[in-house]
Amino acid sequence: DQQVKQNSPSLSVQEGRISILNCDYTNSMFDYFLWYKKYPAEGPTFLISISSIKDKNEDGRFTVFLNKSAKHLSLHIVPSQPGDSAVYFCAASVGRILTGGGNKLTFGTGTQLKVEL
Amino acid sequence: DTAVSQTPKYLVTQMGNDKSIKCEQNLGHDTMYWYKQDSKKFLKIMFSYNNKELIINETVPNRFSPKSPDKAHLNLHINSLELGDSAVYFCASSLGLAGGLGNTGELFFGEGSRLTVL
Repeated sequence: DQQVKQNSPSLSVQEGRISILNCDYTNSMFDYFLWYKKYPAEGPTFLISISSIKDKNEDGRFTVFLNKSAKHLSLHIVPSQPGDSAVYFCAASVGRILTGGGNKLTFGTGTQLKVEL
Repeated sequence: DTAVSQTPKYLVTQMGNDKSIKCEQNLGHDTMYWYKQDSKKFLKIMFSYNNKELIINETVPNRFSPKSPDKAHLNLHINSLELGDSAVYFCASSLGLAGGLGNTGELFFGEGSRLTVL
């Protein structure tokens, strides 16, 4: 049962344009969401997060939007740069608000972003 | 300085063998994890230790045994390796458990250990 889904395995965007990566989830108990970026032969690295009490969080070129009613979140990268080419994982956890969730992150399968010159 | 380091990075072995993957973190974190990324790229938690105590134990065959000698180390031992164990195993650490002010819930991952069982 895949509770976090990234239905697009790959995305190709031109440099300077906006990249939009999507993520859907099924577990309504998730209250904290994170995006990780992964380069080949490296471990995932944290990018940005959002709590379920917000609908938007911004950090430089990266913005995450959360639509709780649709159980959907998205990561916007603008402008996209060649160095953004990587696999992006969406992750979610239960208990951020209530505490005691234990940092058990449930990951999606990732979207390979390629930013072309 | 590598924050979360795992050894070996690559491991090729025969079915039936026993192998270990070691993990060490120098971040002062008190929670460590093992994640498995299978051939479908699905990154799934296996175990989590907080202050050397097992707090998360997902449905994993008992051939997999984690051991945490101290807060900075979490090793993974696998007995009687099977073909289906071939995957990339990621160690990670975090500061405390989820929740609480100032804790982003962020995990710091190692570079991964690619295990190939022939």
